[in-house]
Amino acid sequence: QVQLQESGPGLVKPSQTLSLTCNVSGGSISSGAHYWTWIRQPAGRGLEWIGHVQASGNTKYNPSLRSRLSISLDTSKSQFSLNLNSVTAADTALYYCARGGSFTRVFDYWGLGSLVTVSS
Amino acid sequence: DIQMTQSPSTLSASVGDRVTITCRASQSIRSWLAWYQQKPGKAPKILIYKTSSLESGVPSRFSGGGSGTEFTLTISSLQPDDFATYYCQQYDTYPWTFGQGTKVEI
Repeated sequence: QVQLQESGPGLVKPSQTLSLTCNVSGGSISSGAHYWTWIRQPAGRGLEWIGHVQASGNTKYNPSLRSRLSISLDTSKSQFSLNLNSVTAADTALYYCARGGSFTRVFDYWGLGSLVTVSS
Repeated sequence: DIQMTQSPSTLSASVGDRVTITCRASQSIRSWLAWYQQKPGKAPKILIYKTSSLESGVPSRFSGGGSGTEFTLTISSLQPDDFATYYCQQYDTYPWTFGQGTKVEI
């Protein structure tokens, strides 16, 4: 059973960089063409796709965040990471990591979520 | 970006009711449409992919349909465990986008 677990600071100051890591267990992060994905959800609101990385190194980012965003994969550690710089209060949200299936492309495994608050 | 619009935003229903949620895309997404269920404090759970394919382990009372720009999620007989928020998501064109959600309440 694949499991994902987010980790990272819960509080980030405005203008600084939000960094989160997703640890993947129960399956190989480097096999198949899975989409290792970040999704966020502001409190009481809907879901926003942030972007994904594949084992091939292919990345796709949401254009609304692209200039501030980097998603990377570390197969040796079985984890992938999110870096979002120049954050503002608008980046406050629950951040989920998820796996997009290599055949279906939909998000079949999710982490529990990591709440990140941007505040001074 | 492709805008996904769900209706209604909130749906009041009773156990045993047949419930239908609609999702409209701002342009054709062919059949690349998924549905998720989210309960409070939990991550979303995939129900249906490619418009009508039921994810393994999902009860058969859930079904999906449509194509192009209009899609539906139907619950044939609402169960107590089904009271939740439902989201549609398109994965035809980047950036992948979600609907705003439909809350199914008692």
